[in-house]
Amino acid sequence: ETGVTQTPRHLVMGMTNKKSLKCEQHLGHNAMYWYKQSAKKPLELMFVYNFKEQTENNSVPSRFSPECPNSSHLFLHLHTLQPEDSALYLCASSQSSGIAFFGQGTRLTVV
Amino acid sequence: DQQVKQNSPSLSVQEGRISILNCDYTNSMFDYFLWYKKYPAEGPTFLISISSIKDKNEDGRFTVFLNKSAKHLSLHIVPSQPGDSAVYFCAANRREYGNKLVFGAGTILRVKS
Repeated sequence: ETGVTQTPRHLVMGMTNKKSLKCEQHLGHNAMYWYKQSAKKPLELMFVYNFKEQTENNSVPSRFSPECPNSSHLFLHLHTLQPEDSALYLCASSQSSGIAFFGQGTRLTVV
Repeated sequence: DQQVKQNSPSLSVQEGRISILNCDYTNSMFDYFLWYKKYPAEGPTFLISISSIKDKNEDGRFTVFLNKSAKHLSLHIVPSQPGDSAVYFCAANRREYGNKLVFGAGTILRVKS
């Protein structure tokens, strides 16, 4: 039990599909993050939300659309992805600039 | 331009011996450093951290050393155990900018019994 739960754990989608990744944290944190981990690359920060407000968009293509309805939930909406977007997508939360706690990730495959 | 580098993709150590994982960074503005451990099919889990005002932090079998002049940190695990076999990520940030962790590419540690 990590306190940060991501669903689904695995997702296969076509390039014309629309899907959403969900993240929920039960730690009372005020900041949530999306990271991407491609094969043999460092984790890359995609988006940061503090108190439900987006404070960072790390030059992420518009086919990735985040949504943070409240401090406990974070979504990543996916639309017309490319095969190179296949990766492990990790959600994390923290209390302000404290230690980030990660979910187990969603393994995304775009076909 | 990778600001946090872990130059050893993998490390193999005998059970009971010391494991030393290394990390270099280029951004002198970083003031907080963390190590995360990741098992297959799981997310990274926090292991240990160090602030730039310190040069050593210890937690049980895990010790992190920071050499600011060399922009280098290392994680020592002693004694190493088979359950320590995982991918270890070094991360850094500047805390006044929030929690925008910059990660290294990771080092795969294998502890042989």
